[in-house]
Amino acid sequence: DSGVTQTPKHLITATGQRVTLRCSPRSGDLSVYWYQQSLDQGLQFLIQYYNGEERAKGNILERFSAQQFPDLHSELNLSSLELGDSALYFCASSAAIQGGNTEAFFGQGTRLTVV
Amino acid sequence: AQTVTQSQPEMSVQEAETVTLSCTYDTSENNYYLFWYKQPPSRQMILVIRQEAYKQQNATENRFSVNFQKAAKSFSLKISDSQLGDTAMYFCAFRPSGGSNYKLTFGKGTLLTVNP
Repeated sequence: DSGVTQTPKHLITATGQRVTLRCSPRSGDLSVYWYQQSLDQGLQFLIQYYNGEERAKGNILERFSAQQFPDLHSELNLSSLELGDSALYFCASSAAIQGGNTEAFFGQGTRLTVV
Repeated sequence: AQTVTQSQPEMSVQEAETVTLSCTYDTSENNYYLFWYKQPPSRQMILVIRQEAYKQQNATENRFSVNFQKAAKSFSLKISDSQLGDTAMYFCAFRPSGGSNYKLTFGKGTLLTVNP
């Protein structure tokens, strides 16, 4: 158990809908990262938050947004869903924002299926 | 931008034998970290081993070791005495060590099957 909790584990929804994925980082970790894993794109970095603030953006679509709350949990919002958004979405957390020998711990992922 | 390449989509090995997974990367950074992650059928991403670029000594974790060649930008993973539980997808990953660019860049992965 990595200590990072993601809910739900599975999600099936229709095209055009909106969903929210939730992540609770390890106790004490201030950084949260979101990754998307799909068959064609592999593991892609989406976005990172540190102590409530956005710190880095990757290949995140405009239809997607995220935030980190004062209790440090994070939510990834996916809207106007398309079939191609079907993927495994991972959350990871780490203790520090930059540098250092800081390992990122991954949650078990949320499997999103858009039908 | 950094890129990570794993040229072996699939590999197989007999139980108790040794296997090496390849990884090359491209970066202009001088200081960085390299990782191997394991993703078994449970989907969990598990850190296997980590290498700091400024360290010349290759990292070792029990049956797992790396061959880090900085000049060649190569970072291979050797698994000794392979076990059935090693069957998984293995991802090579890169992360700069400084500045604000600390996201992990992953390769496409190598699916390793350990046969009894």
